[in-house]
This record gives sequence, structure tokens and C-alpha cells, in this order.
Amino acid sequence: DAGVTQSPTHLIKTRGQQVTLRCSPKSGHDTVSWYQQALGQGPQFIFQYYEEEERQRGNFPDRFSGHQFPNYSSELNVNALLLGDSALYLCASSLKAGGQPQHFGDGTRLSIL
Amino acid sequence: SQQGEEDPQALSIQEGENATMNCSYKTSINNLQWYRQNSGRGLVHLILIRSNEREKHSGRLRVTLDTSKKSSSLLITASRAADTASYFCATKMNYGQNFVFGPGTRLSVLP
Repeated sequence: DAGVTQSPTHLIKTRGQQVTLRCSPKSGHDTVSWYQQALGQGPQFIFQYYEEEERQRGNFPDRFSGHQFPNYSSELNVNALLLGDSALYLCASSLKAGGQPQHFGDGTRLSIL
Repeated sequence: SQQGEEDPQALSIQEGENATMNCSYKTSINNLQWYRQNSGRGLVHLILIRSNEREKHSGRLRVTLDTSKKSSSLLITASRAADTASYFCATKMNYGQNFVFGPGTRLSVLP
């Protein structure tokens, strides 16, 4: 039973570039949430996707956008990258919006130079 | 501001000792969960306690919840070196779908 998988594991970009991160939810899950975790901090909620729609959004600018596909996988896109976007980006899946507990992937480590 | 705050920020103990971490939050919750994160990895769910529950056990873990004080504690008994990790509390409020995480407690268990 495959858990949550994220790709790539590491990524290096420069300021101003755009990045796309990918997530496949745990088998049987239909909801995907994205979190940003700065070094030494707790995860911060970015947004949640359910039934291919953004259901809830945290306090992140419009540079952060996402998408959910019919197979429940999801992408996180970040435009106009800033140095402060350097972080571990975590994807979590659950069954139905608000379902719990959430199952997390190992994340994508994004470094902005 | 964050909903949850863990205390202490860092904790170092010897193998075999008990470790206690605390979490305080600000608004009414539906439930509170504890997660563990090993260095460079994702979060692993440990235990969920609902707002109408006061205590739950899972193996060597014991979680308490005091909604009047808006606080929770996680006790790890007979700690092992493998328990070395960061521990986070996450609250699910009565509205909304997301979970709010605190900054975490970094636990080091020395052999």
C-alpha cells in the first residue's frame, strides 16, 4: 500500500524562477493538503484540494497556486521565487476534506539561490 | 500568530527516562494531534485526542487534554534513542479543514 509520494526530493532554483512540485496521495485518499516548513519551524498550511477544487487556503500570496487531477494527485506551483521560499514543502493526504489523521510524504527540499 | 505552542523548545534526556512535552493553544478545537518528525523526513501521526476526551494511551505514549486550560501534554515513557526527533502538536478547529501546527519540541535521547 503506497504512502504519500512527492517529487522531486530536492530542487535548487534562483530568484524569480518558477517551480512545480508534485504529490501522489496515499492509496484510497482523495484530499491533498500542502504545507511549507521553514528550517526549525512547524509546518504552515498553504492550501487544501478536494474534488479538484481549492477548499481552504492559508496565509500565502497568490504566487502559490495548485491543482488537483482526477486521479487525486496534486501539484504546487510557486511563481517569482523569493529567497524566503526556501523550505521543505510537505504534502499530506486524507480521506475527504477534514479527514484525519493526515498522512505525510517526506517532502521536497526547495533551495533558492 | 500560531495556534499551538510546544514547550520546551528542546529537551535532552537519557535513554530509559520519561519525556514530557506540552502544547498550548488559543481557540476552541475539534481535536488535537501529535506528530513526530525525524530529521529531513515527513511527519508521522502518533495520536489523536478529541475535545471531549481527557486522556489517551498508545503503547509508550500518553496524551492528556485540558480544554479549560487549552493545553495538552505528550508523555513518552522509557525513552529510546530511536525516539530522538521533533514532536509537533496540531490542532483542528471546529471550523475549517486544515490543521495548525506549533513550532515543535526537539527531543534528544542519549544512549
